[in-house]
Amino acid sequence: KAGVTQTPRYLIKTRGQQVTLSCSPISGHRSVSWYQQTPGQGLQFLFEYFSETQRNKGNFPGRFSGRQFSNSRSEMNVSTLELGDSALYLCASSLTLSNTGELFFGEGSRLTVL
Amino acid sequence: KQEVTQIPAALSVPEGENLVLNCSFTDSAIYNLQWFRQDPGKGLTSLLLIQSSQREQTSGRLNASLDKSSGRSTLYIAASQPGDSATYLCAVPNTGGFKTIFGAGTRLFVKA
Repeated sequence: KAGVTQTPRYLIKTRGQQVTLSCSPISGHRSVSWYQQTPGQGLQFLFEYFSETQRNKGNFPGRFSGRQFSNSRSEMNVSTLELGDSALYLCASSLTLSNTGELFFGEGSRLTVL
Repeated sequence: KQEVTQIPAALSVPEGENLVLNCSFTDSAIYNLQWFRQDPGKGLTSLLLIQSSQREQTSGRLNASLDKSSGRSTLYIAASQPGDSATYLCAVPNTGGFKTIFGAGTRLFVKA
């Protein structure tokens, strides 16, 4: 069966712009969680959605937001981009809530902010 | 608050060697522990998931053990190959919420 799909894979933006990233989970999975990965901070949790509801949120500013649709696909949005937002953004899907189930990751969206 | 530490941060070994990667966590009240592999610029690939009631899991040349009482897990790789070169991360669900905490990873290089 198809794995976790993230789009776009690569994108370049300039400071002040906004960006929307998409994640399609494995069929049947209801949880989608988002992570930011940078060389200095490692993998940091952004938020998790389960059945269209945000279940938890990490320590990121309000510029980072997300949502989940009825088909479990999720999007995350970053507004007013800053240079420090350059990172690999990874999403993971899970059959159950992420803290109880096995996580499956997509290939990530690499964002470069100039 | 859950904290996850991986030792060593980097490891270079000759091909064929058996090796052990370590993961320690501060809060033993966990649901499970998961090991991942990450190649440069790529996503994470799940290797093994150990439920809290289990002591170990095996997949091919990989064996992961879990000792909740001591807050430790090890990933054993037998007969290492150059294709095993990657960063290995362990992940532990945070008991204080719904998020999963990742270690910083061990960067493995297997020399041919």
